[in-house]
Amino acid sequence: GESVGLHLPTLSVQEGDNSIINCAYSNSASDYFIWYKQESGKGPQFIIDIRSNMDKRQGQRVTVLLNKTVKHLSLQIAATQPGDSAVYFCAESDMRFGAGTRLTVKP
Amino acid sequence: DTGVSQNPRHKITKRGQNVTFRCDPISEHNRLYWYRQTLGQGPEFLTYFQNEAQLEKSRLLSDRFSAERPKGSFSTLEIQRTEQGDSAMYLCASSPVGTNTGELFFGEGSRLTVL
Repeated sequence: GESVGLHLPTLSVQEGDNSIINCAYSNSASDYFIWYKQESGKGPQFIIDIRSNMDKRQGQRVTVLLNKTVKHLSLQIAATQPGDSAVYFCAESDMRFGAGTRLTVKP
Repeated sequence: DTGVSQNPRHKITKRGQNVTFRCDPISEHNRLYWYRQTLGQGPEFLTYFQNEAQLEKSRLLSDRFSAERPKGSFSTLEIQRTEQGDSAMYLCASSPVGTNTGELFFGEGSRLTVL
């Protein structure tokens, strides 16, 4: 993903709404892509991954979409909850991370 | 707790001093990674080990930085002659070989402040 300097992209949603977090990746040879969630003061935590031969994968309340044509990855969170507030990072199979998006959920 | 453990959690040092961080990975995880994270940024890859072999080092890892994993278990990251620009969170992660997901298990990090 591209660096955005000191300011993370931010997304603010209302509790119960769906959230969509986007990521642009650079290496078209990556075998898989991973989404991580990082809460304040903690290390990143694995959410879901997708292999490069797939275009969609679903987990519990989360869906990841992969568009290899435009090198784009998205994470959809259904019925967003206050506990989903965190910074979300995508990573490629070479274990390089994107810049992240800060998600804030308003009650 | 059998997660990744990092020590110390916080370190404040004066410029020019040396610091060392330790990471104890999850037992039987062959791969161990070090990352650096500054405020508002994603984790930046520094280096990774498979067992005791250091297989990759980032260009970010200047000659003041050295990492070891002598017995293929715990790892240390040493920063010599620290500079204010070294202030960051240093994250360690581990993963087993052969996993299909590439999931990394992160520790809580070691925060370094260089005065």
